[in-house]
Amino acid sequence: DIVMTQTPLSSPVTLGQPASISCESSQSLVHNNGNTYLSWLQQRPGQPPRLLIYKISNRFSGVPDRFSGSGAGTHFTLKISRVEPEDVGIYYCMQATQFPHTFGQGTKVEVE
Amino acid sequence: EVQLLESGGGLVQPGGSLRLSCAASGFTYSTTFGMSWVRQAPGKGLEWVSVIVDRGGDTYYADSVKGRFTISRDNSKSTVYLQMNMLRADDTAVYYCVNWGHNGDYSYWGPGTLVTVSS
Repeated sequence: DIVMTQTPLSSPVTLGQPASISCESSQSLVHNNGNTYLSWLQQRPGQPPRLLIYKISNRFSGVPDRFSGSGAGTHFTLKISRVEPEDVGIYYCMQATQFPHTFGQGTKVEVE
Repeated sequence: EVQLLESGGGLVQPGGSLRLSCAASGFTYSTTFGMSWVRQAPGKGLEWVSVIVDRGGDTYYADSVKGRFTISRDNSKSTVYLQMNMLRADDTAVYYCVNWGHNGDYSYWGPGTLVTVSS
């Protein structure tokens, strides 16, 4: 199974300041078809997860442009350019390149 | 508007069974690659459980549920099911139904249904 490792696990942030979360996979996430199926999800308290980013860097419909994704192979990053109050929650990276699909442990973003 | 709505959760004794349902609306299976179940134990992270692929109906399972859970679908009802047998305490979780899109994305999530396995 592909293990997804996120750092940090907790990220105190200041409103208006940037935040960054890293995700490392135990194997390359490049699929045989050349695509890299790495996504980022946000889970606000008491809500189901919500897709933010798919295929490394593509923002899903309705996602603010302060969220961006980057990376390749086994190293990926989610950046929030300016943290807003509604960004508080837990962020997960996940891979859908290989079964079983796997998630990172989650990174809790909270306001200082 | 795409909507997924799970049902069928509840309290069950260890060794018992439950069948979860996920009713989909606002999209057709032909626009998805498959439908997945993901669970989240209380206070824990996300765990992938199973998927049924749209074309061909292939199914895949996490090792933790293989042989006990069965995923299926009824296209005429736009509904996906998760039959859960031989339930254990560590199956206690909120179970989410999620569509698996052609971009490898888990784009739409249901609100979840809580399964509690306890005597």
